[in-house]
Amino acid sequence: GAGVSQSPSNKVTEKGKDVELRCDPISGHTALYWYRQRLGQGLEFLIYFQGNSAPDKSGLPSDRFSAERTGESVSTLTIQRTQQEDSAVYLCASSDVGNGYTFGSGTRLTVV
Amino acid sequence: GEDVEQSLFLSVREGDSSVINCTYTDSSSTYLYWYKQEPGAGLQLLTYIFSNMDMKQDQRLTVLLNKKDKHLSLRIADTQTGDSAIYFCAEKRDSNYQLIWGAGTKLIIKP
Repeated sequence: GAGVSQSPSNKVTEKGKDVELRCDPISGHTALYWYRQRLGQGLEFLIYFQGNSAPDKSGLPSDRFSAERTGESVSTLTIQRTQQEDSAVYLCASSDVGNGYTFGSGTRLTVV
Repeated sequence: GEDVEQSLFLSVREGDSSVINCTYTDSSSTYLYWYKQEPGAGLQLLTYIFSNMDMKQDQRLTVLLNKKDKHLSLRIADTQTGDSAIYFCAEKRDSNYQLIWGAGTKLIIKP
């Protein structure tokens, strides 16, 4: 498709379970970003992939969070042993040189 | 403190102009962006301005950039109820793909 696609759009999980969130960036966009947005808050940077370079993981809040990206395509964000404070909208964006980001619609994660 | 700062709320009457302000700190900024986030949705790019420009107009939107003061503003003329959203300011620095984000300004429209 023409935009950034994220799945699932909503996820409800029990505390302690693992979840995997998926992002399909725009074809040809070399950069991919994950952000977290808690209710009523701004964007919290999580991780950034740029081409084949090592990702910038400086925003990951704990070692329960990890992300992978296959080449310049799909990325998955995995949260292990989910906690209630992980409840948020997880936004993915992609970009190319000199352009702004294009965001997906996000995955709303609720940990109960 | 944050590198990009915005007021958290702005309240305007329907039909009036809205002016959303943003300040940033890095003089190497190359592009500055305004994104709109409607309730329950992702962020949508509204407009952007190159750092060598002072002004950009696009229909009801006017972006003003004061590079000396590192101040960016977004003016929405004839504000409508559909303009209710959170508006994020972001800057792109010369050396990096990454954008530096403000916390967002929630625009509230009064009837």
